[in-house]
Amino acid sequence: GAVVSQHPSRVICKSGTSVKIECRSLDFQATTMFWYRQFPKQSLMLMATSNEGSKATYEQGVEKDKFLINHASLTLSTLTVTSAHPEDSSFYICSVGRTGTSGGSSYEQYFGPGTRLTVT
Amino acid sequence: GIQVEQSPPDLILQEGANSTLRCNFSDSVNNLQWFHQNPWGQLINLFYIPSGTKQNGRLSATTVATERYSLLYISSSQTTDSGVYFCAGGPYNTNAGKSTFGDGTTLTVKP
Repeated sequence: GAVVSQHPSRVICKSGTSVKIECRSLDFQATTMFWYRQFPKQSLMLMATSNEGSKATYEQGVEKDKFLINHASLTLSTLTVTSAHPEDSSFYICSVGRTGTSGGSSYEQYFGPGTRLTVT
Repeated sequence: GIQVEQSPPDLILQEGANSTLRCNFSDSVNNLQWFHQNPWGQLINLFYIPSGTKQNGRLSATTVATERYSLLYISSSQTTDSGVYFCAGGPYNTNAGKSTFGDGTTLTVKP
């Protein structure tokens, strides 16, 4: 498998401020990480794919200037929510993609514990 | 993009009962996975199952790739099985590894 951590687990910030969330792959070097957002009682929505050493690929409708992603090393990706507003309050989850853990060409995602953001 | 439909949306069981959760895909998918999201939000990997059948304790899963569906079986359910179960998969025409999630099945197991 893979062990993924996120920090902080919870954060409360005031409207207009920026918040940085860290996602770390603890036991292997992750070329690709994914960022998701989950609203209460809803599914996970992919926001962006983070590739080490290159620009992130954002899903349609996700503002890249608002959700800044940096994947500067093989073990760390960060998501910065800039000028946060109450509608950005959500559960943000990262995952790492890993090949071969189930054999052959398998590609599995392993998730961090999530960060609950509340913007007041 | 791929659409993922999960059923039932909600399921309430008595402890000890068995259940079957279903996941339908609108197109062929790669990298099909089942997850359990616990009450604290952590997603736990249950199965990687692009095709065939796998078993892990009281849980098993079957994917019929040609018919674009997957089933998750939970036997002798326990209260700790409560939570949301998601399936996810990605399209074959990309190497990006992205996955689309279904809306989940919320399982409540009563003692």
